[in-house]
Amino acid sequence: DTGVSQDPRHKITKRGQNVTFRCDPISEHNRLYWYRQTLGQGPEFLTYFQNEAQLEKSRLLSDRFSAERPKGSFSTLEIQRTEQGDSAMYLCASSPPPVGYPGANVLTFGAGSRLTVL
Amino acid sequence: AQTVTQSQPEMSVQEAETVTLSCTYDTSESDYYLFWYKQPPSRQMILVIRQEAYKQQNATENRFSVNFQKAAKSFSLKISDSQLGDAAMYFCAYRSPNTGNQFYFGTGTSLTVIP
Repeated sequence: DTGVSQDPRHKITKRGQNVTFRCDPISEHNRLYWYRQTLGQGPEFLTYFQNEAQLEKSRLLSDRFSAERPKGSFSTLEIQRTEQGDSAMYLCASSPPPVGYPGANVLTFGAGSRLTVL
Repeated sequence: AQTVTQSQPEMSVQEAETVTLSCTYDTSESDYYLFWYKQPPSRQMILVIRQEAYKQQNATENRFSVNFQKAAKSFSLKISDSQLGDAAMYFCAYRSPNTGNQFYFGTGTSLTVIP
């Protein structure tokens, strides 16, 4: 396992189009997070999965955003009807169960998917 | 929600010297985790060091150490013998084991290492 993978690394789209990002976490990590990062800012929490269940969603996540994690493995983040304000780096991170695992309570990040909305 | 404040948007250090990055946080909890993450330009974020709040001893990882002052809610990162590869954005982060599973990040400090 080589870490958290994100695809695509960069997406350029026109306003109003839909985009989907994929994240493949480390295989033994049951927790998966999506964050958004804009230039000069720290990551902002979007949503969190434990296995296949989406347990938390930020108020930042408008109705145009949806995330899934079927079967508790990879996850997708879809943005519908993109707006220029959606331009950002979308980061995925994963974490093992909090007890009994090396690296518990630590996030491992992917390289991110950079979205540019024209 | 917990807030994490990094009051130094930019810092610079001469190669081989020592630099300290500041971080403060706001919480009413007694048990939590604190982290420093490093994000090199155009590269992914990686963990530098972590501290459990219940541990009084400051964490150390090679050239990286923290000064954890629980009462003051302060968590600074000291980088000794700075190297060119230390140049990056550094983010302080907080995680509560009790109130959800969010990690809260500061706005970051951009560190420049001068040869």
